[in-house]
Amino acid sequence: NAGVTQTPKFQVLKTGQSMTLQCAQDMNHNSMYWYRQDPGMGLRLIYYSASEGTTDKGEVPNGYNVSRLNKREFSLRLESAAPSQTSVYFCASTQRPPLHFGNGTRLTVT
Amino acid sequence: AQKITQTQPGMFVQEKEAVTLDCTYDTSDQSYGLFWYKQPSSGEMIFLIYQGSYDEQNATEGRYSLNFQKARKSANLVISASQLGDSAMYFCARGGSQGNLIFGKGTKLSVKP
Repeated sequence: NAGVTQTPKFQVLKTGQSMTLQCAQDMNHNSMYWYRQDPGMGLRLIYYSASEGTTDKGEVPNGYNVSRLNKREFSLRLESAAPSQTSVYFCASTQRPPLHFGNGTRLTVT
Repeated sequence: AQKITQTQPGMFVQEKEAVTLDCTYDTSDQSYGLFWYKQPSSGEMIFLIYQGSYDEQNATEGRYSLNFQKARKSANLVISASQLGDSAMYFCARGGSQGNLIFGKGTKLSVKP
């Protein structure tokens, strides 16, 4: 039972490049979330999807887009990466509390 | 914004001693959940313990207990008999309106041998 799987684990981008972070869960959860973690800031919600077919903005959505491809998969896209998006990104899912997290993607934008 | 406050950026504890990590929260909701997660240096987020606002008893999970004081809006994590493997970041969180979690900034716990 894999839980929440994120790919890639590490990525380095140049300013202006685009990329998509992938997330898949095998727990049949309805709700999925993308967070970013910066030093001294805790985890902040970027976007969430309460159910298949719906997405909504969280606390820090600027510069990101998301797609809830199906019930299992929820991707996060950076269209034009900026150094301020250097962070660790976590995907999470839940049917009821608590949230189950993936292992994170460490993204560096130079 | 409804905040979660963890006032201790870093804490030290001697192995085998107990330690309390502080957490206070804002909310105007009557029903809510409180959570603690552990993040070791390897980076994963590990769920430790949950407390519902209507639970009459404080939650316990093995060596972890949650000291819940509703009137003071505090949800402190108590770790008994600390072990070297307890060295990690600890995050307090409150359930949000969309099933999400709102996190504090964390406390870095270091266990000394």
